[in-house]
Amino acid sequence: KNEVEQSPQNLTAQEGEFITINCSYSVGISALHWLQQHPGGGIVSLFMLSSGKKKHGRLIATINIQEKHSSLHITASHPRDSAVYICAVTFLRARGGGGADGLTFGKGTHLIIQP
Amino acid sequence: DVKVTQSSRYLVKRTGEKVFLECVQDMDHENMFWYRQDPGLGLRLIYFSYDVKMKEKGDIPEGYSVSREKKERFSLILESASTNQTSMYLCASSLYGNGYSGANVLTFGAGSRLTVL
Repeated sequence: KNEVEQSPQNLTAQEGEFITINCSYSVGISALHWLQQHPGGGIVSLFMLSSGKKKHGRLIATINIQEKHSSLHITASHPRDSAVYICAVTFLRARGGGGADGLTFGKGTHLIIQP
Repeated sequence: DVKVTQSSRYLVKRTGEKVFLECVQDMDHENMFWYRQDPGLGLRLIYFSYDVKMKEKGDIPEGYSVSREKKERFSLILESASTNQTSMYLCASSLYGNGYSGANVLTFGAGSRLTVL
């Protein structure tokens, strides 16, 4: 079964700390997404990547295809970064079991940044 | 700058009631999706649609139906609500119509929290 595992499930840190959230998956993928969900429900797409590294402001996403692993980093964390971060992948030839666009979601990492 | 709008943020219904959840997107996207999100289970796909009047079952379609009469609108229907359908429902859309491309970025609505008593 194609799976997506995130760690940690919950993370509490102090303002200013460097944050790392990890995502690992079981088989080959064509794309990996990092999503952010704030309290209240709205989800925003942060990154979509299939190789290498992407940076947007204080957020950095990396992916290692060989190791089937991706990380989301937040530098100089701030309380407004508090949210649930969700990893989602499109498995190669994913029809069936992963839904439309073959997306399979991790269960999310609940991040709290304390002032 | 609202792009995917869900009609109700919070709903409380009684067991057996018919429930409509509406979703509208203004980006001319072809794909639209309904997910539910439950603690410990993550996001699970209920139904999706690649075009007007087209629909396909996702991972957990039982107890739900959908309607897509216009490109911009995708409705989720609970014919007879049950307590196990208490959940957060999220609508999303994406541009490309062929699915399984791995390249589509999803745009989500704000979510509708449904409580069935």
